[in-house]
Amino acid sequence: DGGITQSPKYLFRKEGQNVTLSCEQNLNHDAMYWYRQDPGQGLRLIYYSQIVNDFQKGDIAEGYSVSREKKESFPLTVTSAQKNPTAFYLCASAGRGWNTQYFGPGTRLTVL
Amino acid sequence: QQPVQSPQAVILREGEDAVINCSSSKALYSVHWYRQKHGEAPVFLMILLKGGEQKGHDKISASFNEKKQQSSLYLTASQLSYSGTYFCGTEITDRGSTLGRLYFGRGTQLTVWP
Repeated sequence: DGGITQSPKYLFRKEGQNVTLSCEQNLNHDAMYWYRQDPGQGLRLIYYSQIVNDFQKGDIAEGYSVSREKKESFPLTVTSAQKNPTAFYLCASAGRGWNTQYFGPGTRLTVL
Repeated sequence: QQPVQSPQAVILREGEDAVINCSSSKALYSVHWYRQKHGEAPVFLMILLKGGEQKGHDKISASFNEKKQQSSLYLTASQLSYSGTYFCGTEITDRGSTLGRLYFGRGTQLTVWP
């Protein structure tokens, strides 16, 4: 089955620890995106990548880092510098053309 | 650049109609509509590419007024399954080119009661 997978679905971490969220797609999409969702805030873009080995900051990149070493994978690291990391994180990918984005199931991160 | 959606919330009875609006302060290349159920990923509904273009998906349709930089989503004869949060995502143009990303509105929460 083609799709986007994110793991794990729920993640708990202690304050001050870095944590890496996984995002994999087998849709052969060039572009991949990371969003953060908080209640009432909509979807806010953290980072995006349109091609392997290249990525751009979104609107709320501070405290996050990414890599794009393979077309299929776009992991997001939430660092200890992120002041309020508890949120629902969504990964998306898009093929060439109209930038229609397809979303993974999301990871709910809770920092204790 | 974030588009403004209105209303923030709508409550309907099954069979009633609703309109959700999405307005941008920037020139638009395309508008994308998504629906998200609680705790799940947003699901793509439709994309509108040209000014005035209308698309349909079952009893859900949308229009795009390029000149007014806005789009509207129409839900007719609503069903219980239509409940969820609706987001518009806009792709803006900047000096003739797009940025390869979407700006999402804050969402409109739609609740359909039997």
